[in-house]
Amino acid sequence: KNEVEQSPQNLTAQEGEFITINCSYSVGISALHWLQQHPGGGIVSLFMLSSGKKKHGRLIATINIQEKHSSLHITASHPRDSAVYICAAETSGSRLTFGEGTQLTVNP
Amino acid sequence: GAGVSQSPSNKVTEKGKDVELRCDPISGHTALYWYRQSLGQGLEFLIYFQGNSAPDKSGLPSDRFSAERTGGSVSTLTIQRTQQEDSAVYLCASSRDSAVETQYFGPGTRLLVL
Repeated sequence: KNEVEQSPQNLTAQEGEFITINCSYSVGISALHWLQQHPGGGIVSLFMLSSGKKKHGRLIATINIQEKHSSLHITASHPRDSAVYICAAETSGSRLTFGEGTQLTVNP
Repeated sequence: GAGVSQSPSNKVTEKGKDVELRCDPISGHTALYWYRQSLGQGLEFLIYFQGNSAPDKSGLPSDRFSAERTGGSVSTLTIQRTQQEDSAVYLCASSRDSAVETQYFGPGTRLLVL
């Protein structure tokens, strides 16, 4: 069992739909990161959170420390949201342990 | 520069040759990380530098891999006697400090070992 697991692996949605990507982890963490990897390969940090909820535009990230679970939500999805979304657990020494990623495709 | 830069962007080499990959972190960032993403695989941690502390090398896959960071800024990842399984995208990231800080990723170096 991987230390960080994401679901689903692949997700196809229609423009405008509400999207949820889930992340479960089995290690102790100091923070949980959500990253976006564009088709060209570039990686952008979306959120870093250690408790509660954060919001940036149409993106919302939540974390439940007791349940060791985090979710990334996208409201009013758009084709430009199509990318791979990766969650990563920051453990001791600041190293990141990554999930396998969720390939999101939003169709117009 | 405005972001993390890496060079070269692409590198093709023959099996058995040594390669050096370079990372220029964001100015003032004290923490620097190297990661690897093999084709069809997830990201994996390789090595982490924080200031003048000894680096965390626990993710290096073999003793053919080494990295250094000179003057607390530029870092070089060296792979000796490259193997085909070393083919991957090597990503560098930096952050202002260690521990619970946003990491900013470079564009990566695509390494192909023939």
